[in-house]
Amino acid sequence: QQQVKQSPQSLIVQKGGIPIINCAYENTAFDYFPWYQQFPGKGPALLIAIRPDVSEKKEGRFTISFNKSAKQFSLHIMDSQPGDSATYFCAASVEFGYSTLTFGKGTMLLVSP
Amino acid sequence: EAQVTQNPRYLITVTGKKLTVTCSQNMNHEYMSWYRQDPGLGLRQIYYSMNVEVTDKGDVPEGYKVSRKEKRNFPLILESPSPNQTSLYFCASRSDRAPNYGYTFGSGTRLTVV
Repeated sequence: QQQVKQSPQSLIVQKGGIPIINCAYENTAFDYFPWYQQFPGKGPALLIAIRPDVSEKKEGRFTISFNKSAKQFSLHIMDSQPGDSATYFCAASVEFGYSTLTFGKGTMLLVSP
Repeated sequence: EAQVTQNPRYLITVTGKKLTVTCSQNMNHEYMSWYRQDPGLGLRQIYYSMNVEVTDKGDVPEGYKVSRKEKRNFPLILESPSPNQTSLYFCASRSDRAPNYGYTFGSGTRLTVV
């Protein structure tokens, strides 16, 4: 059973565009929602994370929007650049206590010049 | 520099030949985990460890073993590798202390079993 569903699988935008990646979760116990960015040949790196007590979090050009009632969250990349081309993974876990991190299947983003 | 170190980066082996992929972290993290990454399937957890001598199965544990004898090390063992274990493997660690629950990943080990 896939607990975190991510879409789209791939995405192409032009430089300056605003790619949006969506994730939906099923487990209402999840209370920590990070996004990871992975460049070719590298391990995933934590990009930004949100907890369900807020509906939006911004860090630089990256914004997470969170809808607790719909059990959905999304990543927006403002003014996207070719250097943002990477694979993005959403994830979810129970923050406190011992809990594994469940990942979505990933979105391959290409930002064309 | 805080990091998770995996070795080797690349490995080609034959079916049935036991191998070990090492993982070490220098951040004194309690929690360590192994993932495999396959096209279209994302990151799937193999095993995880909550602390020394405490390990548990993830989503795809078949064919793998782990051990956690020291806090910093978490090796992944394939006792009899098969071609379906050809994959990209990542070790990761994280703290159990707020506010940082984010994983730090290693650079990956690309394993090919022929």
